[in-house]
Amino acid sequence: EVVLTQSPGTLSLSPGERATLSCRASQSIITNSLVWYQQRPGQAPRLLIHGASSRATGIPDRFSGSGSGTDFTLTITRLEPEDFAVYYCQHYGSSPMYTFGQGTRLEIK
Amino acid sequence: EVQLVESGGGLVQPGGSRRLSCAASGFTFSSFAMSWVRQAPGKGLEWVSIITGSGGRTYYADSLRGRFTISRDNSKSTLYLQMNSLRAEDTAKYYCAKVGVITSFASWGQGTMVTVSS
Repeated sequence: EVVLTQSPGTLSLSPGERATLSCRASQSIITNSLVWYQQRPGQAPRLLIHGASSRATGIPDRFSGSGSGTDFTLTITRLEPEDFAVYYCQHYGSSPMYTFGQGTRLEIK
Repeated sequence: EVQLVESGGGLVQPGGSRRLSCAASGFTFSSFAMSWVRQAPGKGLEWVSIITGSGGRTYYADSLRGRFTISRDNSKSTLYLQMNSLRAEDTAKYYCAKVGVITSFASWGQGTMVTVSS
C-alpha cells in the first residue's frame, strides 16, 4: 500500500502570497493516479486536481499541480481568502485502493 | 448540477447496525461508479468502499471488509452503505462521492454523521 506524506502540516501565509504544498509517496506512483482536494471548514472536500496536473472543472488557474515519481506539489499563486483550507492529496492504486495523505492546513498569517 | 444527499446517520450503540443512503440527481446515476469516504472528527479522509455503475463489482478498504456492504439501486438513483458490528472507531462523517475519472472523486455530498457510543 502506498503511503502519502504531506508537508508541511500547517502553512501560514498571507493573502496574495504563493503557497507550495508537498505530497510524497512511499514508492513511485503513476502520475495520473495522484489527486488533490480542498476542504474548507465545515464543508465537503472538493476536487481540485486529477492526474497530478489537470485542473478539475471550474477550478481557477491559480491552482496548479506538478510532480512525478514520488514527489508531487500543489501550488497556489496569489492566495485568495477563500483558499485558506485543508488540502489533501490522494492516490489511486490497483485493487482498487484509494489512500489519502494526512492533509496540510493552510492558514492565514 | 450534480447533487448528492446523504441520510441515515445518527447515534448507534457499539455492535449495532446502520444503513446510510445517498440520493443522487443531476447526472445519469447508473453510468458512474460511486464511493463512500469517511472522516472521523478532526481527522483526515479515509476511503471506505466503491461500487461500479452496474453494481456488479464492489471493493472495500481492507480494514472494513466483512462489516460494511455497499450497494445501489439505479432505479432510485440511490447509493447505500450497510454498516454492521459498529465500533467506536467507526464514528465519523460519511460522505458519498461520484467517481470522475476512475482515480478521483469528482463530486461529494455534505455527509451524514454516525456516532457509535453507548
